[in-house]
Amino acid sequence: ILNVEQSPQSLHVQEGDSTNFTCSFPSSNFYALHWYRWETAKSPEALFVMTLNGDEKKKGRISATLNTKEGYSYLYIKGSQPEDSATYLCALLTGNQFYFGTGTSLTVIP
Amino acid sequence: DTGVSQNPRHKITKRGQNVTFRCDPISEHNRLYWYRQTLGQGPEFLTYFQNEAQLEKSRLLSDRFSAERPKGSFSTLEIQRTEQGDSAMYLCASSFPSGTRGTGELFFGEGSRLTVL
Repeated sequence: ILNVEQSPQSLHVQEGDSTNFTCSFPSSNFYALHWYRWETAKSPEALFVMTLNGDEKKKGRISATLNTKEGYSYLYIKGSQPEDSATYLCALLTGNQFYFGTGTSLTVIP
Repeated sequence: DTGVSQNPRHKITKRGQNVTFRCDPISEHNRLYWYRQTLGQGPEFLTYFQNEAQLEKSRLLSDRFSAERPKGSFSTLEIQRTEQGDSAMYLCASSFPSGTRGTGELFFGEGSRLTVL
């Protein structure tokens, strides 16, 4: 079992603030790093799939970076909106298994 | 195809009863995963199928748990003689393998929440 850690566990920000959270993972046997957004009463949805060291991906106001050598990924949200409120999960794919972190719960206060 | 569907969405049962959950994946996906999520934790891997073959099982999956995917389409997860510790959200996800079609991202259902009294 691989240990994937996310921090912080939860975060409350004001609407308009920018924020970021971290996913740390053991860098050996890395294949891909996934980010998912899980809104309450919905199913988790993929945000990014990252495979290469130095990868940077962007979708609207959300972006992510990947450092496979040191074993971390950052997720950034610029100008947070109430609809960004969700739990953000990262998952390490190694072999055929995904190892999920415990998630960062984001609440954006209007 | 509207995505991955799971049913029932909620199940309340008494300790000792058997429960079965069903997952209908996206039809083109040949991989299907089951995860369990408890409060404050991320999804924990239970098992996965490639087509109808169950390729990997977590040691979390005790003898009371069994999963099938007949004909490589829908899958069922059965829990026999449920215990209070089985109370959790059971998530199903499907995908293509990475490097084939798409990026290997998981498409999740909305989950089946089990409460064992």
